[in-house]
Amino acid sequence: NAGVMQNPRHLVRRRGQEARLRCSPMKGHSHVYWYRQLPEEGLKFMVYLQKENIIDESGMPKERFSAEFPKEGPSILRIQQVVRGDSAAYFCASSTLASRYNEQFFGPGTRLTVL
Amino acid sequence: TQLLEQSPQFLSIQEGENLTVYCNSSSVFSSLQWYRQEPGEGPVLLVTVVTGGEVKKLKRLTFQFGDARKDSSLHITAAQPGDTGLYLCAGGEGSQGNLIFGKGTKLSVKP
Repeated sequence: NAGVMQNPRHLVRRRGQEARLRCSPMKGHSHVYWYRQLPEEGLKFMVYLQKENIIDESGMPKERFSAEFPKEGPSILRIQQVVRGDSAAYFCASSTLASRYNEQFFGPGTRLTVL
Repeated sequence: TQLLEQSPQFLSIQEGENLTVYCNSSSVFSSLQWYRQEPGEGPVLLVTVVTGGEVKKLKRLTFQFGDARKDSSLHITAAQPGDTGLYLCAGGEGSQGNLIFGKGTKLSVKP
């Protein structure tokens, strides 16, 4: 019963380094969403991808952040030259094309700490 | 900008009590999901409501979607310590696309 998998669960980076977060969707799911959660805040949408396509990146900062979902392998959220404000929990969710009601299933998250 | 307001923000009750938490918006959503999140974990989907006036029950949890599809409530009967967690509502448009999340209600049930 493989749910959405994310790794690493915890990631520590120094300012200026790169962070790469990985997400494997549930089996049979072809849609991936990335959200960011700050302390005492709700989840904020970042980007929506299907295999090899970015569908909606309206929630992603225009600089330093990028995402991909290649034909083979996990989805990757990449943050270049991290700053302290990037410290947050990053969640990946997946859904199936057959979903009628936009039900999304979340992974356990990656907690990024920038020193 | 679509917003979902959840209330109360915090709720601390004794085991056995009943409670209701609310999720309100000025916007219409085609679907609304309720999630529960525990510390250090991702949100877990509890239920999806899609029809105005719809009521769904999940054991001691009762979910209602407002007639106008702008608001929802979650009622828990005879709360237990295992119900402790952050309850999040999220609104969706259509069958795909991003969800809009409220900030959540942090529930603590004391034995």
